[in-house]
Amino acid sequence: TQLLEQSPQFLSIQEGENLTVYCNSSSVFSSLQWYRQEPGEGPVLLVTVVTGGEVKKLKRLTFQFGDARKDSSLHITAAQPGDTGLYLCAGPWRGGGADGLTFGKGTHLIIQP
Amino acid sequence: EPEVTQTPSHQVTQMGQEVILRCVPISNHLYFYWYRQILGQKVEFLVSFYNNEISEKSEIFDDQFSVERPDGSNFTLKIRSTKLEDSAMYFCASSVAGDLNEQFFGPGTRLTVL
Repeated sequence: TQLLEQSPQFLSIQEGENLTVYCNSSSVFSSLQWYRQEPGEGPVLLVTVVTGGEVKKLKRLTFQFGDARKDSSLHITAAQPGDTGLYLCAGPWRGGGADGLTFGKGTHLIIQP
Repeated sequence: EPEVTQTPSHQVTQMGQEVILRCVPISNHLYFYWYRQILGQKVEFLVSFYNNEISEKSEIFDDQFSVERPDGSNFTLKIRSTKLEDSAMYFCASSVAGDLNEQFFGPGTRLTVL
């Protein structure tokens, strides 16, 4: 099983600030996904990155896949209280294909008004 | 918008009893998955299912677990003899096809084993 490490584990910032959270592995992934999970609910897919160096934007969220496809980052610009939640990265459990996903432990993000 | 649904939302059972958790994947999806999340821990892969058979399973998915697609819409997870440590949220997910692994998750079933 390929492992994903996320940092920081917890992050609390003021509304309007920028932030970056990280997802790292020693293994190469064919793709990585970012999910957001609310308490008591299932993860909701935000984005998939596939190509090394790829950057994808979703409104104020910017996702980047590392050149070596071993890491990814999520940057939020001008964070809003509605961005509060658990952000998870995930990748194919055994590296590729129609595998189950291995998840990181997530970053708990709190945006204070 | 199509979504994965799961029933029941909460199941309470006695240790040693059998439980069946049900899922209705998104209708045009071909790959189905079960995951669990023990309270405070990360989401863990249990099993993937394609073309009416298991394609991958983790070490967690031992002989007490089984999956089935009994008809064209439902996908079930059976736990034969529940243990206290089976208490967790169980998530079903589905995807259209393989390589991008874009999986869509249901809301989960909270299983409590007493």
